[in-house]
Amino acid sequence: DAKTTQPPSMDCAEGRAANLPCNHSTISGNEYVYWYRQIHSQGPQYIIHGLKNNETNEMASLIITEDRKSSTLILPHATLRDTAVYYCIVRVYYSTLTFGKGTMLLVSP
Amino acid sequence: GAVVSQHPSRVICKSGTSVKIECRSLDFQATTMFWYRQFPKKSLMLMATSNEGSKATYEQGVEKDKFLINHASLTLSTLTVTSAHPEDSSFYICSASLASGRSYEQYFGPGTRLTVT
Repeated sequence: DAKTTQPPSMDCAEGRAANLPCNHSTISGNEYVYWYRQIHSQGPQYIIHGLKNNETNEMASLIITEDRKSSTLILPHATLRDTAVYYCIVRVYYSTLTFGKGTMLLVSP
Repeated sequence: GAVVSQHPSRVICKSGTSVKIECRSLDFQATTMFWYRQFPKKSLMLMATSNEGSKATYEQGVEKDKFLINHASLTLSTLTVTSAHPEDSSFYICSASLASGRSYEQYFGPGTRLTVT
């Protein structure tokens, strides 16, 4: 699976949009971009995934660049409960999830 | 949605004893189950992958005789840490995979905090 690069940490004010970037310049054509998050001392939680089109669900939006070499996860109105480590993972649909270091997002009042 | 449970959520055991952690898929049959380990301030590391009725496949560096995995049914997998030592203290997380068409989504349990004294 392709590797990803994420900033180690980001801050966001409560109520503002949180935009978390991810670089995956070696992504292959059949690899999806997945986002998970892990709140402290809990198991990872699925957020969203996409192949090449932008995706939106009740939790977040995923914007994938046209060349698919990078993506951005958008939490439109961050709350304190969104404080977590966010993992961007690139995988073919049948491969096991492999976690990198992720981005620690701290949402402050 | 698919729910995965783990039991216990926390366990403290003495050095040299064994401890068993259960992972259950509550509302679906899991074709594959995974065990991860996470040390403080570190990312999740895959320990092993198991399919129901088959022997588990362990990642490099994970001792299969120390971390016994049993996947007896499509809804239950157990991880037994044998002869536990303080360095085995960690957060153990299981994951269950539901295969549906071209989708192989992994669903995660809440984790088990193991402390070996």
